[in-house]
Amino acid sequence: DTGVSQDPRHKITKRGQNVTFRCDPISEHNRLYWYRQTLGQGPEFLTYFQNEAQLEKSRLLSDRFSAERPKGSFSTLEIQRTEQGDSAMYLCASSLDGRDTQYFGPGTRLTVL
Amino acid sequence: AQSVTQLGSHVSVSEGALVLLRCNYSSSVPPYLFWYVQYPNQGLQLLLKYTSAATLVKGINGFEAEFKKSETSFHLTKPSAHMSDAAEYFCAVSPIRGNLIFGKGTKLSVKP
Repeated sequence: DTGVSQDPRHKITKRGQNVTFRCDPISEHNRLYWYRQTLGQGPEFLTYFQNEAQLEKSRLLSDRFSAERPKGSFSTLEIQRTEQGDSAMYLCASSLDGRDTQYFGPGTRLTVL
Repeated sequence: AQSVTQLGSHVSVSEGALVLLRCNYSSSVPPYLFWYVQYPNQGLQLLLKYTSAATLVKGINGFEAEFKKSETSFHLTKPSAHMSDAAEYFCAVSPIRGNLIFGKGTKLSVKP
């Protein structure tokens, strides 16, 4: 299967700890997106990459968040000094380009205690 | 700015009944519109998308949606609900740069 994969699927951490999530997009997809989804809400855009370049970051992406996509393949999303408000599902999606269909991974559910 | 409004956070229908989930959008450019479905603790699966071709779009699992520019709507329908349709449904609009802007979602319950 060549779908979008995310690791880990679940993460429980204590407030103040750093966490890192990984996303492996569909191969040959140039675009990679990160979204955050809290309970009862639709996903909210965080950031996206065109190949290895991070082209846009949402205002939701505070200084504690950083994302990378080295070599234009997999991507990582790191949250430093986690807060309880960071508890959410973090979704990754990839697309061929621009406004093409985005295919989503299963998500990483973060719980900050 | 683009935005999406989904009317009704929860819709309940009987098995075999018509499913109608409402979505209205706001977009300053010709929109690309999407419907995704999400099952509990899973990612989103594309049901269908509108990209300025035919206004009636057919998707997977018997769903379809009609783009109505005059009403800025993109409602999702299915003639006959099945128990397996119970899930949360999200309407989304894509501005030119590509990121999706989602509505808050509608949870569909199907009663036997």
